[in-house]
Amino acid sequence: SQQGEEDPQALSIQEGENATMNCSYKTSINNLQWYRQNSGRGLVHLILIRSNEREKHSGRLRVTLDTSKKSSSLLITASRAADTASYFCATDAFMTGGFKTIFGAGTRLFVKA
Amino acid sequence: SQTIHQWPATLVQPVGSPLSLECTVEGTSNPNLYWYRQAAGRGLQLLFYSVGIGQISSEVPQNLSASRPQDRQFILSSKKLLLSDSGFYLCAWSLAGLYEQFFGPGTRLTVL
Repeated sequence: SQQGEEDPQALSIQEGENATMNCSYKTSINNLQWYRQNSGRGLVHLILIRSNEREKHSGRLRVTLDTSKKSSSLLITASRAADTASYFCATDAFMTGGFKTIFGAGTRLFVKA
Repeated sequence: SQTIHQWPATLVQPVGSPLSLECTVEGTSNPNLYWYRQAAGRGLQLLFYSVGIGQISSEVPQNLSASRPQDRQFILSSKKLLLSDSGFYLCAWSLAGLYEQFFGPGTRLTVL
């Protein structure tokens, strides 16, 4: 089963509005990451938040992490049409030789101009 | 700066044909390398990862295999493709011990 699951599966908003995406996971983590994927392209790393952090900012992105609820949220403020993409949370799990990153199914964000 | 290349970008193959997808990384040494498959509208499934030359770990039993003949080269192969092998294949790398992964542009494989 997936470690991280995003909610909602799809989100449609107007340009200028804020977009909030949530991620829930099942087991303890060291870090949680958010990635973005434009249609038909590779993923791009957005932000990493460590398990001992509660909030992190990067430009118009704000990520929160609640380890007691095993959940994270990604907020994009003042959205733009160019923010249209799929957003994935990713958590780590230990494997032979180190750890692996497990991706959720993603939230598809559509920002209407 | 580091870059990652994948080719081909798209591929249409008949069932039962062989497959070879190549991924190369530039600008770094001894990276961890990963092959993922993404079904349409879904998340990523880790297929293989490698922490060094000749070291391949498989995550799920399947019709595919991977090899790492050189430090910065990762190859995904199949002897006989199945319809279920269709998908978007992504290669990624990371520095050992770090979590951030860098993805290639992907290969869209359609098996007919």
